[in-house]
Amino acid sequence: NAGVMQNPRHLVRRRGQEARLRCSPMKGHSHVYWYRQLPEEGLKFMVYLQKENIIDESGMPKERFSAEFPKEGPSILRIQQVVRGDSAAYFCASSTNTGELFFGEGSRLTVL
Amino acid sequence: AQTVTQSQPEMSVQEAETVTLSCTYDTSENNYYLFWYKQPPSRQMILVIRQEAYKQQNATENRFSVNFQKAAKSFSLKISDSQLGDTAMYFCAFMVYFGNEKLTFGTGTRLTIIP
Repeated sequence: NAGVMQNPRHLVRRRGQEARLRCSPMKGHSHVYWYRQLPEEGLKFMVYLQKENIIDESGMPKERFSAEFPKEGPSILRIQQVVRGDSAAYFCASSTNTGELFFGEGSRLTVL
Repeated sequence: AQTVTQSQPEMSVQEAETVTLSCTYDTSENNYYLFWYKQPPSRQMILVIRQEAYKQQNATENRFSVNFQKAAKSFSLKISDSQLGDTAMYFCAFMVYFGNEKLTFGTGTRLTIIP
């Protein structure tokens, strides 16, 4: 049973480009959470999605960031017009809504 | 809003010794979960231990145990017989579970086990 799969593991973008990060939840999991970890900090909640629905986006920046979890395929976190401050590790977690999250290995975004 | 505070940015201990990591939190909720996650250099977040607030008994997982003091809003992690593989960042986290498993994390403690 594969765990939470995130890709790419490392992504380099220049300022102004777009970044797309993908997350495939564990088999049978329909709840997906995205977190951001800035250097030397803890993880910060960004968004909670179920299939085709955004449930809680209270941690998402108001501009340039969006997330989706379509009926088919992985969840995608999209960052438009990236800036240096977007450089961070982005973690995805999935669950069956039983109070335990399973994390992926993260995607490290570097903005040049 | 919930907050989680880890007041020890770094700790080190000799291999085989016992170490305790501190965590305090602030909430007005009565029912919630508390977690300790380990983040080794590989950066993957690994669940170490979980405590439900309604349970008075402290959770234990092999060499890892917690001291949960609900009135004091304290949730410390004790690692016994520490091993080199325990070297990692440790994060305390809080969840108010209302069908939304959003976690609030502390800033972490960097633990180094010295051979």
